[in-house]
Amino acid sequence: AQSVTQLDSHVSVSEGTPVLLRCNYSSSYSPSLFWYVQHPNKGLQLLLKYTSAATLVKGINGFEAEFKKSETSFHLTKPSAHMSDAAEYFCVVSYTGTASKLTFGTGTRLQVTL
Amino acid sequence: GAGVSQSPSNKVTEKGKDVELRCDPISGHTALYWYRQSLGQGLEFLIYFQGNSAPDKSGLPSDRFSAERTGGSVSTLTIQRTQQEDSAVYLCASSSARGTEAFFGQGTRLTVV
Repeated sequence: AQSVTQLDSHVSVSEGTPVLLRCNYSSSYSPSLFWYVQHPNKGLQLLLKYTSAATLVKGINGFEAEFKKSETSFHLTKPSAHMSDAAEYFCVVSYTGTASKLTFGTGTRLQVTL
Repeated sequence: GAGVSQSPSNKVTEKGKDVELRCDPISGHTALYWYRQSLGQGLEFLIYFQGNSAPDKSGLPSDRFSAERTGGSVSTLTIQRTQQEDSAVYLCASSSARGTEAFFGQGTRLTVV
């Protein structure tokens, strides 16, 4: 069965410092990987997606993620955190090549302090 | 429509009552999904529609849960004889036939009292 593990349930950074949210997935022939963000009382918004094209994926709001097959990882990074980045972030995997039956990680809550 | 629309946004119901949650996907999207987000369980897949048929309903937690989709568009998730453990946010998403990206609605927050 497909699975994804988010290694940190909570990450706290200072504004202006780098962000690293870690994600590992169970090995598969060709996973599609996504990062979604959920702000309080808001719906899920897609940040970026990897679907077997370039391994370094750039998303919205300055976020990017690198697909590393050898490490089965898809960590999310941002060079400089902003207060508005405070939210819950979900790493998501799909093995069907389409958006069907997404498997979500347990989420990482990002806190940004002054 | 411009995005996935869900109604109601909030629903409070008494234990034992039936509820219906509605999802209006993005126009032209043939695939539709229901997920549930609850404390301690994270985000769980419930059911997937391709057109009006549901090739994967493996996530429905019990026979109290059912869903249908008509006209390849609007979907309704029905929970019969609600229980307190059904309290959660129910999220709907849609994608195009070959789409790799699911677009989510704002969700329906269900509270069973």
